[in-house]
Amino acid sequence: TQLLEQSPQFLSIQEGENLTVYCNSSSVFSSLQWYRQEPGEGPVLLVTVVTGGEVKKLKRLTFQFGDARKDSSLHITAAQPGDTGLYLCAGAEAGNNRKLIWGLGTSLAVNP
Amino acid sequence: NAGVTQTPKFRVLKTGQSMTLLCAQDMNHEYMYWYRQDPGMGLRLIHYSVGEGTTAKGEVPDGYNVSRLKKQNFLLGLESAAPSQTSVYFCASINGLAVNTGELFFGEGSRLTVL
Repeated sequence: TQLLEQSPQFLSIQEGENLTVYCNSSSVFSSLQWYRQEPGEGPVLLVTVVTGGEVKKLKRLTFQFGDARKDSSLHITAAQPGDTGLYLCAGAEAGNNRKLIWGLGTSLAVNP
Repeated sequence: NAGVTQTPKFRVLKTGQSMTLLCAQDMNHEYMYWYRQDPGMGLRLIHYSVGEGTTAKGEVPDGYNVSRLKKQNFLLGLESAAPSQTSVYFCASINGLAVNTGELFFGEGSRLTVL
């Protein structure tokens, strides 16, 4: 059962464009994380959000946790080729802090 | 800074052969995980361990065994490899005190092909 729906699955844009990736669930999460994975490497943590409605910014990346802690979004402003990669969201279910629930990922290609 | 190290990084097996993937972490993390990553399937948890001497099944444990004899090492074994086990395997670890919000550290992956 896929508890975290991530969309879109693929995204190809031109340098300078903005984009938003969504991560949705019917489950409540105590926290949600976004990871970025480059080819041939393991995922690397970008951010953790823990409070409903929380917004965090990391340079051109803005992360938001839904008020009900069931969804999250990642917005990239003025995308650059260096942003190319696989973006994964992962949620820690309330009461189950031993395993993360993973989205299928969004493969982003930013063309120069 | 070694972090999480996986060996081997690449391996080709014939159906029915056995092998062991080794994961070593130098961060004194309590929790360790083995995932497989397949196109369109995302990261799927195979087995995990919350401490030395303990292991537990994830969502796709069949065909795999694990051992955590030392805190820093987590071994993933395939007793009789099948083509369906062709995948990229990732090991990850996390501080047990921060499992809810802390960073999951991943290895670089081990690409396994079963012919």
